[in-house]
Amino acid sequence: GAGVSQTPSNKVTEKGKYVELRCDPISGHTALYWYRQSLGQGPEFLIYFQGTGAADDSGLPNDRFFAVRPEGSVSTLKIQRTERGDSAVYLCASSVRRDSPLHFGNGTRLTVT
Amino acid sequence: AQSVTQLGSHVSVSEGALVLLRCNYSSSVPPYLFWYVQYPNQGLQLLLKYTSAATLVKGINGFEAEFKKSETSFHLTKPSAHMSDAAEYFCAVSDVISGTSYGKLTFGQGTILTVHP
Repeated sequence: GAGVSQTPSNKVTEKGKYVELRCDPISGHTALYWYRQSLGQGPEFLIYFQGTGAADDSGLPNDRFFAVRPEGSVSTLKIQRTERGDSAVYLCASSVRRDSPLHFGNGTRLTVT
Repeated sequence: AQSVTQLGSHVSVSEGALVLLRCNYSSSVPPYLFWYVQYPNQGLQLLLKYTSAATLVKGINGFEAEFKKSETSFHLTKPSAHMSDAAEYFCAVSDVISGTSYGKLTFGQGTILTVHP
């Protein structure tokens, strides 16, 4: 079956612009996570959804970052007024339940120029 | 706060040699521990996980890891390296809430494994 799908795979934007990154989880997976992986680092947790609600957004670095999952399936990570420091690979993962292993997508590589 | 330290950002072995990737963690409660592998331009794939059952955990592709509470370690091993094992490996620890882990993972910085013919 299809895995976690993230679009676009690459995104280049100018400093100050707004970007949206999309994640399509595996069908039926209720839990969805966003992580950010900077060059040479391990992934860092951003936010966790259980269904439609954000159960834990403690990893979002500041109020320029926001994520939604309005129907409990697709999620969008939104970044306002992008900065060069936001350049990273943004990973999405989903799981059947909160206590199940994560399935990761291939990520979106964001470059802010 | 939890943390994970992977000793050695790069490890190089010959094909057929033992693979040993080191991971130490800090956690105020008994943790759940994971090893993930990342191939170039691909997502993370779970190799194995420790969830407070057997301390020696066997995973996919011949990898295994041993949880040693006294050493706060969870090192990854494979008896004989294959060329296809070349990738980046991440150790991770999870919060344990009400006895059930969830996917809020704290990752180490990763170890790049190179396998020479």
